[in-house]
Amino acid sequence: RKEVEQDPGPFNVPEGATVAFNCTYSNSASQSFFWYRQDCRKEPKLLMSVYSSGNEDGRFTAQLNRASQYISLLIRDSKLSDSATYLCVVVGAPANDYKLSFGAGTTVTVRA
Amino acid sequence: ETGVTQTPRHLVMGMTNKKSLKCEQHLGHNAMYWYKQSAKKPLELMFVYSLEERVENNSVPSRFSPECPNSSHLFLHLHTLQPEDSALYLCASSQQRRYLTDTQYFGPGTRLTVL
Repeated sequence: RKEVEQDPGPFNVPEGATVAFNCTYSNSASQSFFWYRQDCRKEPKLLMSVYSSGNEDGRFTAQLNRASQYISLLIRDSKLSDSATYLCVVVGAPANDYKLSFGAGTTVTVRA
Repeated sequence: ETGVTQTPRHLVMGMTNKKSLKCEQHLGHNAMYWYKQSAKKPLELMFVYSLEERVENNSVPSRFSPECPNSSHLFLHLHTLQPEDSALYLCASSQQRRYLTDTQYFGPGTRLTVL
């Protein structure tokens, strides 16, 4: 089983729609979680951290479900500029020296 | 943005060539990283340097040789590469090697093609 798995998509949504997708992780002792965004032919950039209680940043909401071992990202009122690949990042347990694992990414395409 | 720069941006090399990738960070960070990103695959962490000391080497073939002369510069020396090494090589830096909290800042990458 892969350490971090994401649905590659693409998720094709119209402007203004809501889109959500998950990322599952295999190590139940994982410590920290992040979403990074990578535009086409650009470098990844931090979008947001994912906290146990869930967190919101404008139109973006991230949730953590430790029992089912997944994190989610929800984008409301999608904009054309939201088109990108969203990378899930999981930081492992102390026993693994906090290994950093990336998912392969979920591609979102917002159309006019 | 010029926080983390990489040169060259594109590189085509033969299997017998020797080349080097360069990364420079202007953020005052203490940790630097090399990643490999292949199409449709997760980023693979290759090397980690913290305060110029290599602290992680994730079973990377010896044809990849990193060098960190100071906390602002990181090199990846390449020799006798294979076609399967063709990928986007990303450099990143962070304040410390604190994965739990520190944001990783990535450079624009070097797109490498091995013929």
